Parts: sequence; C-alpha cells; structure tokens
Amino acid sequence: DIQMTQSPSSLSASVGDRVTITCRASQSISTYLNWYLQKPGKAPKVLIYDVSSLQSGVPSRFTGSGSGTDFNITISSLQPEDFATYYCQQSFTTPRTFGQGTKVEIK
Amino acid sequence: QVQLQESGPGVVKPSETLSLTCTVSGASISSYFWTWIRQPPGKGLEWIGNMDDSGNTNYDPSLHSRVTISADTSKNQFSLKLTFVTAADAAVYYCARDFGSGYHYYFDSWGQGTLVTVSS
Repeated sequence: DIQMTQSPSSLSASVGDRVTITCRASQSISTYLNWYLQKPGKAPKVLIYDVSSLQSGVPSRFTGSGSGTDFNITISSLQPEDFATYYCQQSFTTPRTFGQGTKVEIK
Repeated sequence: QVQLQESGPGVVKPSETLSLTCTVSGASISSYFWTWIRQPPGKGLEWIGNMDDSGNTNYDPSLHSRVTISADTSKNQFSLKLTFVTAADAAVYYCARDFGSGYHYYFDSWGQGTLVTVSS
C-alpha cells in the first residue's frame, strides 16, 4: 500500500492568514493526488484533483502543487468557512489511501 | 446533480454481517466507478473498496477476506457487506462516486454517511 503522510497534523491560524499543508507519498504517485475538506458531521468534499485542478465551485484561494512524492495545498487568505480538516488522497493505485488529516483551527 | 444515500442498520452485533446499500440518483451506476469509505469516530478516512462500471471490484487488503461490494442495476444501487464485524468496524460509512478515467480518479459525490455501531 502507498502511505500518505500529512504535516502538520493540526495548525492554528487567523482569518486572512496564508496556510500551507504538506502531503508526502511513500512512493511516486506522479500527479494522481487529490485534496478534500471535511467539516464536523459532514461528508468530505473534493477541493482539488490531479494535484492542481480546482473542482467546480471551489474558490481560487485554494491552490495545489507538487509531483512525485511531495505535494502541497495552499490557502492564500484563510476564510471563516475554511476552518475544517483537510485530507490528501492518492488515486495512483488501489487501495486508494488517504493522509491522516490536518485540522485547521482558529487561533 | 448526482445524489447518493446510504441505508442500513445502525447497530450490528459482533461477529455478524454489516450490510449497507447506497441508492444513486442523477447517474447510472453502470457508467461510473463506485466506492465505500469509512471513518471511525474521531479518526481519518479509510477506503474500503470500489466497483467499476463493469462490476469488477477492488478491496483494501486488510478487509479483503470479509468484504463484498455488489450492484443492483435495476434499482441503481450498490451494496456493501462486511462479515464477522468487531468493535473496530464501528464507523460512519460513506458511499461515493469514483469519478474520472485512467489514473485520474477522485471522489466527486458523497452520501451523507451512516453511523454503524457494533454492539450486542
């Protein structure tokens, strides 16, 4: 199985801050990397697919980058609705695996 | 717009079989890949397995001997069966569409999730 490791596991930030979350794969996954946001009690929703493609309706303050084993998602200016848990996920092979999650909290 | 809805018992006894159904509207299950994902309380997301548009399945190796995903095309539903459940199987179970082609897949539509508790 391909292991996905996110860092940090949690972070505290303020509205308007620039935030970056990192995801590392245990082997190369090319550009087959997706990012999801999950709010408490809700299903996750996809933000970015294939490293950097923004899902329809997702604000442009979210950007993704990376290739191979190292990937990032950046929120350029954190908004109140962005406080949530973020997961990366690889689609290079099955089993499809997720990172452990990064919880973004209000400072 | 694609909508998914999980249904099934909220409580399953230890050693018995967990059975869930996902009803899909807005898309034919014969045209896409479909996935089950679970989330133990307070923990992260775990991929259980998927079924492609031809009915072929892939399962997580740690669950492979206990899990079956199948489809009922007449009802536009797909199902999950997990045998010999233990407390470790307690989780919110989500069904989702695995959208894309080649290697470019992502989960673009999700059900709301259903909580399954394992208790005698």
